[in-house]
Amino acid sequence: EIVLTQSPAILSLSPGERATLSCRASQSVASSYLAWYQQKPGQAPRLLIYGFSTRATGVPNRFSGSGSGTDFTLTINGLEPEDFAVYFCQQYGSSPFTFGPGTKVDIK
Amino acid sequence: EVQLVESGGGLVQPGRSLRLSCVGSGFSFDDYAMYWVRQRPGKGLEWVAGISWNNNNIGYADSVKGRFTISRDNGKNSLYLQMNSLRAEDMALYYCAKGRGGGYYFYMDVWGKGTTVTVSS
Repeated sequence: EIVLTQSPAILSLSPGERATLSCRASQSVASSYLAWYQQKPGQAPRLLIYGFSTRATGVPNRFSGSGSGTDFTLTINGLEPEDFAVYFCQQYGSSPFTFGPGTKVDIK
Repeated sequence: EVQLVESGGGLVQPGRSLRLSCVGSGFSFDDYAMYWVRQRPGKGLEWVAGISWNNNNIGYADSVKGRFTISRDNGKNSLYLQMNSLRAEDMALYYCAKGRGGGYYFYMDVWGKGTTVTVSS
């Protein structure tokens, strides 16, 4: 099983700042099958990024994904008020699929 | 509108069984892989199980293997999760999610609102 580690656990930033979230895998993620999801309180997760860098439909271009192998990054350029949420990475390249523990982006 | 609606959650005693259902609408259900993901209260997401469009690929998290069974009925646009020998640690909000394609290895592009399972005596 691939274990995903996310850092930091909490990121305190102000609106307009850049957020950089890290996701590290215990082994290489096959075909860079790495996704990012956003979850707000009381809501189901929402797909943001798949294939490590492709934005899902309707996702603003301030969200970008990068990385390969075992190290992946989600960057949010210019945080908007609606971006303060929890972000999870997930690998779907090998079964069982696994999620990281999440990074909470909160308002400083 | 693409929609997933889960049902079947509730209060169950440890060691007992429960069957969750998920009905999909607004898309060709039999063209897509489907998954169950759970979230314990105040915790992160945990992938539970997945099934390809034609049942050829099925997988489980180690934590539920041998106790849970995922299945689907494409004629009824439905996904199921049979949960046996339930434990306190299975208590969670269970989400049904749709894969982006029919094979097994896909991300989840549509999620339901979830159904809550409570395990307690």
